[in-house]
Amino acid sequence: QKEVEQDPGPLSVPEGAIVSLNCTYSNSAFQYFMWYRQYSRKGPELLMYTYSSGNKEDGRFTAQVDKSSKYISLFIRDSQPSDSATYLCAMNTGNQFYFGTGTSLTVIP
Amino acid sequence: ETGVTQTPRHLVMGMTNKKSLKCEQHLGHNAMYWYKQSAKKPLELMFVYNFKEQTENNSVPSRFSPECPNSSHLFLHLHTLQPEDSALYLCASSHVGTGGAVLVEAFFGQGTRLTVV
Repeated sequence: QKEVEQDPGPLSVPEGAIVSLNCTYSNSAFQYFMWYRQYSRKGPELLMYTYSSGNKEDGRFTAQVDKSSKYISLFIRDSQPSDSATYLCAMNTGNQFYFGTGTSLTVIP
Repeated sequence: ETGVTQTPRHLVMGMTNKKSLKCEQHLGHNAMYWYKQSAKKPLELMFVYNFKEQTENNSVPSRFSPECPNSSHLFLHLHTLQPEDSALYLCASSHVGTGGAVLVEAFFGQGTRLTVV
């Protein structure tokens, strides 16, 4: 079993839609939970991170962590064409980071 | 200049060549990482350096040789690579506490797109 599971998509939505991206994980020792956005031909950039279960909001983005279910989500409200990218979930324990495969998102104008 | 900088951005090399990838971080972090990113696969951790000491070598073939002269610079020396080594190579940095646990999230460079012909 992979440490982190993420549906690779691709996911295609119309502009203005609410997008839900999800990951599951198996290691209960994971401490930090992160979402990265990666545009084509670029390195991943950190969108949000959270330490505990619950919700964290930043503008149109909401990160949700449910440690009891080992499930994390990223919601994007009022999605824009500029949100088209690959979204990677990541989590860490100790000094190592574990990544999902990434979900490719296209927002259609 | 801020963040994590990788050079070159693109590299094409023959299987008999020797080349090096360079990474520099300007964030004051003490941990640096090399990752390999191939299509449809999760980021593959290759090497981890904490305080200039290599703490992880994730079963990487010896044709990849890392070097970390100080906590701000990281190199990946390449020799006799194979076509399947073609990928995006990403450098990242983070800050690790004295107990060895990450204190901040990983920051990535833009990557080096490597093509082996």
